[in-house]
Amino acid sequence: GAVVSQHPSRVICKSGTSVKIECRSLDFQATTMFWYRQFPKQSLMLMATSNEGSKATYEQGVEKDKFLINHASLTLSTLTVTSAHPEDSSFYICSARGGRGEVEKLFFGSGTQLSVL
Amino acid sequence: RKEVEQDPGPFNVPEGATVAFNCTYSNSASQSFFWYRQDCRKEPKLLMSVYSSGNEDGRFTAQLNRASQYISLLIRDSKLSDSATYLCVVNNFNKFYFGSGTKLNVKP
Repeated sequence: GAVVSQHPSRVICKSGTSVKIECRSLDFQATTMFWYRQFPKQSLMLMATSNEGSKATYEQGVEKDKFLINHASLTLSTLTVTSAHPEDSSFYICSARGGRGEVEKLFFGSGTQLSVL
Repeated sequence: RKEVEQDPGPFNVPEGATVAFNCTYSNSASQSFFWYRQDCRKEPKLLMSVYSSGNEDGRFTAQLNRASQYISLLIRDSKLSDSATYLCVVNNFNKFYFGSGTKLNVKP
């Protein structure tokens, strides 16, 4: 299957700082990537759809000015949590649809555990 | 109404048991369906796609019933390593929606 790399795996930061998370598709081109957030014992919640070369599409209730998404190339999408607060502490996971032959499948990065103090 | 609904469990079963999970989805126009497995604090990993004709992969069998809008996963001869949360995933027009997951605990 396709490989998606996500960094960093864990971030601990002070309240008010910004945190950038990178998501790369390693062996295929991903015109679309998805960002999810998962709180403990809850399901993955889609935050936004990242489209290469255009603006991201945000789900209802997700602040686009707080969660900045940039998809500058076919293999890289970044999520920046601006002015992070303790309530932003969560597990953030990116994903991409697979390449040739696997476009219907979703492949995930390893996730980023964000802890805001 | 949620796009995808699952029984959260947990399902506690002994090794060797057969266990089945169901999942319902609300949008009859959904195009594709999957089961993912998620271990604690890890990313979900694709277990198998689900087809109307039913499909099997070793000890795992998945089934889709479009008329009733439900998806099932059957695990035979459960192993300790099967302990995880199983996520039902539905693709609606290029958006993937996740169920809340069903937790499985396989006991020795």
